Parts: sequence; structure tokens; C-alpha cells
Amino acid sequence: AQKITQTQPGMFVQEKEAVTLDCTYDTSDQSYGLFWYKQPSSGEMIFLIYQGSYDEQNATEGRYSLNFQKARKSANLVISASQLGDSAMYFCAMRISASKIIFGSGTRLSIRP
Amino acid sequence: DGGITQSPKYLFRKEGQNVTLSCEQNLNHDAMYWYRQDPGQGLRLIYYSQIVNDFQKGDIAEGYSVSREKKESFPLTVTSAQKNPTAFYLCASRRTGGLSKNIQYFGAGTRLSVL
Repeated sequence: AQKITQTQPGMFVQEKEAVTLDCTYDTSDQSYGLFWYKQPSSGEMIFLIYQGSYDEQNATEGRYSLNFQKARKSANLVISASQLGDSAMYFCAMRISASKIIFGSGTRLSIRP
Repeated sequence: DGGITQSPKYLFRKEGQNVTLSCEQNLNHDAMYWYRQDPGQGLRLIYYSQIVNDFQKGDIAEGYSVSREKKESFPLTVTSAQKNPTAFYLCASRRTGGLSKNIQYFGAGTRLSVL
């Protein structure tokens, strides 16, 4: 069965430190994609980063990078130099078909000043 | 500015009442989606549409209905058959071609509560 697992319900990190949010996935498909979205308290889902299963390089977008380890089926999000504005829920998601994606249960990240 | 607009932000439903949530996008995206989010959980797919006048059920379609008469609009009706409608509803859209075709972009959501 296709599934996304986020095992960290909540994390506290000191401002300016780097943080890694864990995500593992399960699929038997060869072609898939992995996403990370940020959901602040306002509720909107904000797209952060995407990695295709055939992409050889890890995706990066500014302070965000996706540590893609295909053999381990993991797609961890790394945020460098965390900021107070990074406090939010973070969801890992996987594209399971051309038109559908599934979401994990999320990790609540809190940045301490 | 291009984006996805959901309205209203908050909505209250009485017992036995149908309510409609609006979703409008000016991104010229072909595909549109409705998701439900319950407290402390991820998103679950209700319905999606890849083209005007066509839509498919997602994982939790029972008690909901949609229409797609215009490319820009994908309203969701929560019917009286949905016995537990209290949740946060998110609309999303996606291009179906080009480099960013896999990425879904979201609106700000509608929070529905039952009176």
C-alpha cells in the first residue's frame, strides 16, 4: 500500500539552528514524486520543495533541501538556519498518480528564540 | 495577483442543511482539488477535476458533491448526508503540463462548523 509516515509529531529547535524533519514513504511504483508543504496557523498550505523519483540530485530551494535516500525510502526536509517564522506544521506528501497525492500526518515545528 | 481564492473563511451549517464552499483560481490551471483536514491530521482527497465538465471521486466523497462548469471555478457542496462535516476544507489547483505540473497550489481554506 502507498503510504507516507512522519514519526515526529512535534519538534522544538533553537533559532538559527538547522533542523531535519523525517519522512518515509512506501510505494512499489518506479515513478513518483515527493513534496513538502508548510502550514502556518493561518491554515494555508504553502509548497516548499519537490523531488521526482528519477531526479539524481537532491532538490534545494533557498534554506530548504530535501535529503532523498531512495534505497531507504526516505525524503527528509532540512531547514538551514531556522527562523521564528518557520514555526508551523510541515507535511510530507507523495504523488501516487498523474493527478493524486497523499499526505502524511504532519510534524509541528516550534522555533525557540 | 494570481492565486486561489476560497470563500467564505468561516461557515456554519445547521442540521439538515446543504452548504456550498467556493473555490476560484486565476492561475489558468486545468486541474482542481478539494481536500478535508481534521484536527491534527493530514489532508484527505474528496473530489478532483482535471478538465471542465468532468470530475472524479477521491477517497472520502460520500456526502459531498461538486461541479466544474468553468475552468476557474470548482465549488464543493457539503450535503446533509455528510454526518460529520466539521473540518477545515482546502482547495488546490495544478497545471497539467510543463515543469511544475506536479505541484498543487492551495487556497487559504474554509473552516466549517455545525451549529
